[in-house]
Amino acid sequence: AQSVTQPDIHITVSEGASLELRCNYSYGATPYLFWYVQSPGQGLQLLLKYFSGDTLVQGIKGFEAEFKRSQSSFNLRKPSVHWSDAAEYFCAVYGGATNKLIFGTGTLLAVQP
Amino acid sequence: GAVVSQHPSRVICKSGTSVKIECRSLDFQATTMFWYRQFPKQSLMLMATSNEGSKATYEQGVEKDKFLINHASLTLSTLTVTSAHPEDSSFYICSAWTGSGNTIYFGEGSWLTVV
Repeated sequence: AQSVTQPDIHITVSEGASLELRCNYSYGATPYLFWYVQSPGQGLQLLLKYFSGDTLVQGIKGFEAEFKRSQSSFNLRKPSVHWSDAAEYFCAVYGGATNKLIFGTGTLLAVQP
Repeated sequence: GAVVSQHPSRVICKSGTSVKIECRSLDFQATTMFWYRQFPKQSLMLMATSNEGSKATYEQGVEKDKFLINHASLTLSTLTVTSAHPEDSSFYICSAWTGSGNTIYFGEGSWLTVV
């Protein structure tokens, strides 16, 4: 079955500190992987995606993510967090065989001054 | 860049009435669109996958007769909530698969309040 797990429901970091948001997936083959960010009451903005090739992908706003097949993970990272990064972050997995885009439960990021 | 437009952004309707939400891909053709429902402070729950020209594929537990999905063209999919009840109040959001662009973009979402 296709599934996504974001183990951390809520994370608080200090402004300027580094960030890593975890994402693990379950799928029979290599899926398409996405990270989206959502501000309160808003739609979703695509941060980055992985389909194939280089396992380290760069996204917008200084975010990057690394696909690790052996760990079935696609963790999101940022070297220095800004107060404006406070939002809800969702990892999503698209399976070609299932034709479904499934979301993780999300991680709420709070940034302390 | 690719844009997905969703309308209306907010709608209030009376219990028992029906409401239609539109999802349009503005500058690309979307062979596949996804419809989600999101409760406050929760994740997006996939309701159905909509493919142009064919019947939508609904997720388990989603009532097909209550949530009517139509994908009549490559740029438009609609979700109609029939005989709405207060428990249908939620944030509904659509997304479109660009296919050739290999990206999935989301609409701005629609807040439905049933009174």
